Amino acid sequence: DAGVIQSPRHEVTEMGQEVTLRCKPISGHDYLFWYRQTMMRGLELLIYFNNNVPIDDSGMPEDRFSAKMPNASFSTLKIQPSEPRDSAVYFCASSMGQRNQPQHFGDGTRLSIL
Amino acid sequence: AQTVTQSQPEMSVQEAETVTLSCTYDTSENNYYLFWYKQPPSRQMILVIRQEAYKQQNATENRFSVNFQKAAKSFSLKISDSQLGDTAMYFCAFMKHDMRFGAGTRLTVKP
Repeated sequence: DAGVIQSPRHEVTEMGQEVTLRCKPISGHDYLFWYRQTMMRGLELLIYFNNNVPIDDSGMPEDRFSAKMPNASFSTLKIQPSEPRDSAVYFCASSMGQRNQPQHFGDGTRLSIL
Repeated sequence: AQTVTQSQPEMSVQEAETVTLSCTYDTSENNYYLFWYKQPPSRQMILVIRQEAYKQQNATENRFSVNFQKAAKSFSLKISDSQLGDTAMYFCAFMKHDMRFGAGTRLTVKP
């Protein structure tokens, strides 16, 4: 079975540019999570969706960040405009059913903002 | 707010030996879930083991087992017969309303 698929694997761009990260959850999973991983702050939950609806976006750092889930098989995390401090690894994860089910993570996107 | 503490930033173990990674958490909840995730150099996040707080029996997955002490709010991971492929970052995670991760422990298995 295909796992959570994230793209791109790596992204290098200049500050001020718009960045779009993509995620395809595991088929049948109804929860989708976006995390950011940095050395300083570890793993942080940014936002999560249930049945394509954003449930909690309190972890989104600021208005420059936005996330959408237009359908059950696709989600995006967008940063506009990007800043060097946004450099991190961004993970998408999905789970099925109740929120206490294990989350399956994608391979992450390493984002570098110059 | 729930916090998860992993007090060992780095650990090493000889191949075939046993190592225990520590994790403590702070919560006022009674029912919750605890996880250990492994992140090898490939950067994948791989679920290692899961424990429901209402279960007294410690979870076991092959060479991986936990020592869950609910009253002490402790959830340590024991890796038996360590293998070179176990070299990775290990994250302890607590889940009630959302998932909280510890800072991670970098484990190196030495040949």
